[in-house]
Amino acid sequence: KAGVTQTPRYLIKTRGQQVTLSCSPISGHRSVSWYQQTPGQGLQFLFEYFSETQRNKGNFPGRFSGRQFSNSRSEMNVSTLELGDSALYLCASSSTTGNTEAFFGQGTRLTVV
Amino acid sequence: GEDVEQSLFLSVREGDSSVINCTYTDSSSTYLYWYKQEPGAGLQLLTYIFSNMDMKQDQRLTVLLNKKDKHLSLRIADTQTGDSAIYFCAESVPGGYQKVTFGTGTKLQVIP
Repeated sequence: KAGVTQTPRYLIKTRGQQVTLSCSPISGHRSVSWYQQTPGQGLQFLFEYFSETQRNKGNFPGRFSGRQFSNSRSEMNVSTLELGDSALYLCASSSTTGNTEAFFGQGTRLTVV
Repeated sequence: GEDVEQSLFLSVREGDSSVINCTYTDSSSTYLYWYKQEPGAGLQLLTYIFSNMDMKQDQRLTVLLNKKDKHLSLRIADTQTGDSAIYFCAESVPGGYQKVTFGTGTKLQVIP
């Protein structure tokens, strides 16, 4: 069974640009969550999607958005990039919206210059 | 609210046991997890425990949960150099959605 796949693995963007990250969950999983990991703030929850609906959102500005497609694949978008958005963005999938195991992808390392 | 705390660093000798501790604040936590992160990698789920359990053992890993004190520990028996990584404790709470709150992570250094 393939794991959670995140693309791309690495990205370098310039301040002010926007970026889209992709996450393909484990086959059959319908819940996808996104996290931001930075040395200063640790791992912080961004949002969670289930059946194309955002079910929960963390404390991030509106520049951070996401969506989920009918095949459960998810994308997150960050607009007007700031230097502080440099981070490892992790996606996790789980089988339901209930409290079950969350399996993480390898992450996308975003560097904003 | 949810808050998960861990000590930042632990150093052990190869072959010894490692014990990584974690405290959490949300008494409604349903699942408590231990994740491992190696340099440059994502998070690997090591083990998890339901909040109605006291202990779970999985090969070299033993998880102990003291729900009264909101204390979770991970014991790694016969620690190896390959166990060197950052270990994150995490909790999820009920609410119909998958949101996991992570601790700050404990960096485990295994000395040969």
